[in-house]
Amino acid sequence: GENVEQHPSTLSVQEGDSAVIKCTYSDSASNYFPWYKQELGKRPQLIIDIRSNVGEKKDQRIAVTLNKTAKHFSLHITETQPEDSAVYFCAASTGGFKTIFGAGTRLFVKA
Amino acid sequence: GAVVSQHPSWVICKSGTSVKIECRSLDFQATTMFWYRQFPKQSLMLMATSNEGSKATYEQGVEKDKFLINHASLTLSTLTVTSAHPEDSSFYICSAPGTSGTSPYNEQFFGPGTRLTVT
Repeated sequence: GENVEQHPSTLSVQEGDSAVIKCTYSDSASNYFPWYKQELGKRPQLIIDIRSNVGEKKDQRIAVTLNKTAKHFSLHITETQPEDSAVYFCAASTGGFKTIFGAGTRLFVKA
Repeated sequence: GAVVSQHPSWVICKSGTSVKIECRSLDFQATTMFWYRQFPKQSLMLMATSNEGSKATYEQGVEKDKFLINHASLTLSTLTVTSAHPEDSSFYICSAPGTSGTSPYNEQFFGPGTRLTVT
């Protein structure tokens, strides 16, 4: 079945450094790749997404890259701040419907 | 726009009882909704796809007689945990695909979640 793998499971960085989270997916029909940020006890919040016809997308300090051939996509956060500390999930879906999530990355940004 | 609500936000029930959780799309119609469960410090696991007017589609390993799903209208899906046991204690989240208006593509809009504790 569909599977999304995410690494690392935990990431600790110093404030101001960059953070990179990587994911791979198995379903070649996947064409929509959202990234979510989830704070404790709250719903996941969409922070950025990328579609299969695009290789890279940037929104201020956040960027995503997609390599459809290799079925890899990554999240890059630059100039990290303590408020970036949360759990981040990558996901893959077809047409934005059934969404399969990665295992999550717990990001700690040390002040 | 594209707001999804969930009720209740938390519930405590005794072992053996049933609990119903509601998921509503407030300002858009959702013929499809999704139910996830999330254990502490773990990812969201897709349980089932709720389809308006037809039977839900369950993921492998999810007992359909245990987790009853009803999608009676275009804005409401319910998940009933029957004969709940302590191992059913979890965070249950629903989502519905919709558009934010800035893009023609669907994205998932999540409800706030329901924390179920079975004693």
